[in-house]
Amino acid sequence: KAGVTQTPRYLIKTRGQQVTLSCSPISGHRSVSWYQQTPGQGLQFLFEYFSETQRNKGNFPGRFSGRQFSNSRSEMNVSTLELGDSALYLCASSPQGRVSYEQYFGPGTRLTVT
Amino acid sequence: QQQVKQSPQSLIVQKGGISIINCAYENTAFDYFPWYQQFPGKGPALLIAIRPDVSEKKEGRFTISFNKSAKQFSLHIMDSQPGDSATYFCAASGPPGGKLIFGQGTTLQVKP
Repeated sequence: KAGVTQTPRYLIKTRGQQVTLSCSPISGHRSVSWYQQTPGQGLQFLFEYFSETQRNKGNFPGRFSGRQFSNSRSEMNVSTLELGDSALYLCASSPQGRVSYEQYFGPGTRLTVT
Repeated sequence: QQQVKQSPQSLIVQKGGISIINCAYENTAFDYFPWYQQFPGKGPALLIAIRPDVSEKKEGRFTISFNKSAKQFSLHIMDSQPGDSATYFCAASGPPGGKLIFGQGTTLQVKP
């Protein structure tokens, strides 16, 4: 099976712009979670989607949003970018149904905000 | 209560030695404890995971030891190899799942 894919792999944006990142989960996986990874804060949970519904949400401002489509593909959006949003954004998919545990990560999208 | 504390921050081990990384948690609702390995430029890769009804789980050279009463768990890498040099993260999750709380990571260097 193909792994989790994320596009684009690299992005450079200017402060104030918005950005959309895409994630395709492993075939058959219905849960998709997003994480932000920075050297200072480590890996932090953003949100999780299951069957097109947000099931869990981390402590990030409303500028961070996401959605999931009927084919389980997911997108996350960051509006009004700030310099501190520069990070590696990771998507993870999980095979379980109602309860998701094992998560498999994609390679990430490296976002640089200038 | 949502934190997972990981130590040490960095670790240097000789080839063939044992690498030990420790994690502690507070939230007793956590019921799934995975370890991830991350190489530079890559996403974290699931190494091994354990649930609280088991005190130890072994997969190849990797072993998780779990102490439910102390709310601690650790990763042991036996016969450490230079190819094991990476950053290791412990994590925890509880119902309904989908949200992993990660430790701060341990950078492991295995010297030849």
